[in-house]
Amino acid sequence: ELKVEQNPLFLSMQEGKNYTIYCNYSTTSDRLYWYRQDPGKSLESLFVLLSNGAVKQEGRLMASLDTKARLSTLHITAAVHDLSATYFCAVVNSNSGYALNFGKGTSLLVTP
Amino acid sequence: DTEVTQTPKHLVMGMTNKKSLKCEQHMGHRAMYWYKQKAKKPPELMFVYSYEKLSINESVPSRFSPECPNSSLLNLHLHALQPEDSALYLCASSQNRGSHPYEQYFGPGTRLTVT
Repeated sequence: ELKVEQNPLFLSMQEGKNYTIYCNYSTTSDRLYWYRQDPGKSLESLFVLLSNGAVKQEGRLMASLDTKARLSTLHITAAVHDLSATYFCAVVNSNSGYALNFGKGTSLLVTP
Repeated sequence: DTEVTQTPKHLVMGMTNKKSLKCEQHMGHRAMYWYKQKAKKPPELMFVYSYEKLSINESVPSRFSPECPNSSLLNLHLHALQPEDSALYLCASSQNRGSHPYEQYFGPGTRLTVT
């Protein structure tokens, strides 16, 4: 069974600070996704990581993938309030029609 | 066009009602998915259609009945639902080839409330 674990599940941080969210998964995969979800909304695709060592950056967010360690990180630099949301990592499950298995999500709150 | 549309956006139904959720994409994707998301939980897979055929049913109760009339449309028929079925229902589609195979595009969701 493919398991995806995220930590932390809750994160309260001050504006201007840096932090990292971790995503571990239990089976080999070279395909990992990060999504953002605002309350009551659908999922917004942030990053698509398709190979070992992949690193992508968008604004204050940077994601990386280490397929050997089965680990992805989402690094937040100089957080601002607008980043407050829930962040999910997800891995393709080839045993479920290539659907996504999601981590439990990290609820991020950025405070002044 | 990289959009997945879902209708309705909100739905309130009684436990004896019959209703349907609709999902549409025009990206030529041949895989379509239904996910259910409860509050403060991750999305959970319900069904997968591949080339208009049901390929995965994640042991979903029969009160949920999926249908894929053509390659662009995906429906979810609802009948005799329970209050615990209240959730956000997300539709997604993906292609299985090309530069970004299996990348899923999500619709805006239908917020379902069962009274």
